[in-house]
Amino acid sequence: SQKIEQNSEALNIQEGKTATLTCNYTNYSPAYLQWYRQDPGRGPVFLLLIRENEKEKRKERLKVTFDTTLKQSLFHITASQPADSATYLCALAKSSASKIIFGSGTRLSIRP
Amino acid sequence: NAGVTQTPKFQVLKTGQSMTLQCAQDMNHEYMSWYRQDPGMGLRLIHYSVGAGITDQGEVPNGYNVSRSTTEDFPLRLLSAAPSQTSVYFCASSYGPGGTEAFFGQGTRLTVV
Repeated sequence: SQKIEQNSEALNIQEGKTATLTCNYTNYSPAYLQWYRQDPGRGPVFLLLIRENEKEKRKERLKVTFDTTLKQSLFHITASQPADSATYLCALAKSSASKIIFGSGTRLSIRP
Repeated sequence: NAGVTQTPKFQVLKTGQSMTLQCAQDMNHEYMSWYRQDPGMGLRLIHYSVGAGITDQGEVPNGYNVSRSTTEDFPLRLLSAAPSQTSVYFCASSYGPGGTEAFFGQGTRLTVV
């Protein structure tokens, strides 16, 4: 069956360092991969979308890579700040017409 | 622009009671969906709709009903609440399902006792 795996343990990073989160998937061939941020008690908020024919996408301090051979996406936050502390979710879709499925998320903590 | 509005924010039900979770969006999105979020399980899709009058089941549809009579509203009905339905429920909307960003509501925390 389709499976999406994100770092199961929380990630603790020193402020200023680069945080790297992993999203691995099996039995799935997504055309789109998205990353969302979720703060406690709030709904997820969209960050970035990357297509299967794109290897990398950037937005300010965020960078996402998408390796369809390894079936993996990496999400990087450079120059991390305590305000980046949140849970980050990856989400996949087979096509623009198919529904999105989510991973369970990785909790990121940035310590000052 | 309100975005996606969910009501109520909190609800406690007794086993066997029924209720409707409300979801409304003002962005003229065709695609709307309901998820539940449980600890360690991520977001699981309950039902979704690709437009007014069209709904379909997601991964975990049992015990829930939906309808879509207007573009703006997508209510989720619990027919006979069970403790296993204790969860946080999120409604989302987007222009399309897979290839566009989804906008989420603030969530409804439901406890069934």
